[in-house]
Amino acid sequence: AAGVIQSPRHLIKEKRETATLKCYPIPRHDTVYWYQQGPGQDPQFLISFYEKMQSDKGSIPDRFSAQQFSDYHSELNMSSLELGDSALYFCASSTGASGNTIYFGEGSWLTVV
Amino acid sequence: AQSVTQPDIHITVSEGASLELRCNYSYGATPYLFWYVQSPGQGLQLLLKYFSGDTLVQGIKGFEAEFKRSQSSFNLRKPSVHWSDAAEYFCAVGIISNFGNEKLTFGTGTRLTIIP
Repeated sequence: AAGVIQSPRHLIKEKRETATLKCYPIPRHDTVYWYQQGPGQDPQFLISFYEKMQSDKGSIPDRFSAQQFSDYHSELNMSSLELGDSALYFCASSTGASGNTIYFGEGSWLTVV
Repeated sequence: AQSVTQPDIHITVSEGASLELRCNYSYGATPYLFWYVQSPGQGLQLLLKYFSGDTLVQGIKGFEAEFKRSQSSFNLRKPSVHWSDAAEYFCAVGIISNFGNEKLTFGTGTRLTIIP
């Protein structure tokens, strides 16, 4: 079965650079979530989209932005990168209805040097 | 505010022994509860979930969890662990957003080590 696809899987950027992560949800899933997991930490909710509209916002820095496109894929844009942004970024998707399972991708490793 | 507590940071179990990972939650309404497993450098895989109904939930890989409202707990169990069960386990509660969908709040995780 198709899963949540994230790209790139690994990314190395320098401080103050910009990075873009892409997420392709499971087909027919209309809700996308972004989570950030720092080293040794639990995943922290950043932002979610339902039917291309932002549905919820968590601890996402102002330097980050995200959107969901007409084909339901989503992109997380991170600017002015800081060393502390180094983390595993998960995308997840679901059908949006309450109670449905949220499926996670394999994650994108971002290292800021 | 909602929260999830996993009291055990690290647990070591012998292969073939039974396992119980603890999870306590704080949430004002009826919770949606989940257990996810994460192998090193990998994504999060759903083991099981509780939404309503039978409080004993069966999951994949031989895991089960029991929802106890009176104790605000959702402990994960397995009768006999295998070396491949070594991983990080996260308990999570689903919070309903304004749009009716939900986001997950995770506990800090329990790292499971299996010894021969």
